[in-house]
Amino acid sequence: ILNVEQSPQSLHVQEGDSTNFTCSFPSSNFYALHWYRWETAKSPEALFVMTLNGDEKKKGRISATLNTKEGYSYLYIKGSQPEDSATYLCAFLNNNAGNMLTFGGGTRLMVKP
Amino acid sequence: KAGVTQTPRYLIKTRGQQVTLSCSPISGHRSVSWYQQTPGQGLQFLFEYFSETQRNKGNFPGRFSGRQFSNSRSEMNVSTLELGDSALYLCASSLTLRLQETQYFGPGTRLLVL
Repeated sequence: ILNVEQSPQSLHVQEGDSTNFTCSFPSSNFYALHWYRWETAKSPEALFVMTLNGDEKKKGRISATLNTKEGYSYLYIKGSQPEDSATYLCAFLNNNAGNMLTFGGGTRLMVKP
Repeated sequence: KAGVTQTPRYLIKTRGQQVTLSCSPISGHRSVSWYQQTPGQGLQFLFEYFSETQRNKGNFPGRFSGRQFSNSRSEMNVSTLELGDSALYLCASSLTLRLQETQYFGPGTRLLVL
């Protein structure tokens, strides 16, 4: 059983704060790590697919880093806005498991205006 | 380009019944995966189809089955429903089986079993 853990489970920040959360995954048989944003009543939206150790990806105010040797990824949001309120999910792809994503439990972010 | 669509969006069934959920992938996408989300378990992989063949199956009982048609549309079926099958069922599509490809999710079907 693959264990993908995210912390914290939930986070309340003020508008304008920068924040970050962590995804931990098995460091063996790593193939890729996906990050998704899931707003209430909408479909999960893909943010990043990361494959290489040391990868850094950026999309607007959101960025992510990847350390495959130690099995973690950080997601950063700079200057949080109320519209960033969502659950952020990471999903691990094992190179022995086809296209089967193993999801973490998510970090629920709430940004207060 | 239209996104992934799922029908129906909401469904209420009683224990012992069976249910069929449908997923239409993004046009041109050939891989479809299904996931179950429950409050206690988070998002869990059910199965993956590519070119009408099941490629992977998650750790679910045989009551859960699926298929994919030649136009890449997929259906999943749950027979002899149990209360614990109440969940949000999501499908996701991707262009090919390349592992680093983005998967695009539909809005889900929310199933309530009474």
